[in-house]
Amino acid sequence: DTAVSQTPKYLVTQMGNDKSIKCEQNLGHDTMYWYKQDSKKFLKIMFSYNNKELIINETVPNRFSPKSPDKAHLNLHINSLELGDSAVYFCASSREGGAANYGYTFGSGTRLTVV
Amino acid sequence: GEDVEQSLFLSVREGDSSVINCTYTDSSSTYLYWYKQEPGAGLQLLTYIFSNMDMKQDQRLTVLLNKKDKHLSLRIADTQTGDSAIYFCAELTGGGNKLTFGTGTQLKVEL
Repeated sequence: DTAVSQTPKYLVTQMGNDKSIKCEQNLGHDTMYWYKQDSKKFLKIMFSYNNKELIINETVPNRFSPKSPDKAHLNLHINSLELGDSAVYFCASSREGGAANYGYTFGSGTRLTVV
Repeated sequence: GEDVEQSLFLSVREGDSSVINCTYTDSSSTYLYWYKQEPGAGLQLLTYIFSNMDMKQDQRLTVLLNKKDKHLSLRIADTQTGDSAIYFCAELTGGGNKLTFGTGTQLKVEL
């Protein structure tokens, strides 16, 4: 009964392709996030959505487009994939008003490899 | 600097205490967190501390906060091999809307 689930877990694709990563949470949280973890394990926020509305967009290229059909889902679509997009992408969710004393709940990550 | 800084590596013997340090950036951060990441897994919240506290103890974990120096530490007592992982500190910034992570510390526990 996974709280934050991402699919796929692994994704290998060629440069120039378009791909999507899906995320769903069953915690009833209002806010969802996408983070990118690079090869040095640095974690950077990409996007944040609250009740389907974009709250944070951290200077991510336009090739990345998040979509939130409802507050339980936040999908990430990436166009024209580049080698530098290779990373682990984490979805997370939190209660209304940010993390406060509950923190974020993270999915197990999607390892994207662009060849 | 802009990054939340942590030392990259820490190696300890099983049964010893581990202390992982973090220097954060935003003096107005209300909550500070410690997360653990095991290989191939997501991030697991270990503990947190509110900014008006200077210490919090939770079983084997002790968090110390020095607001003046913007310094946060995590002490793990009686470190076990299962504690081997990457540990991230994080601060809640952006008016409570954004969790900014440190650079991560790889803890290795040796027998």
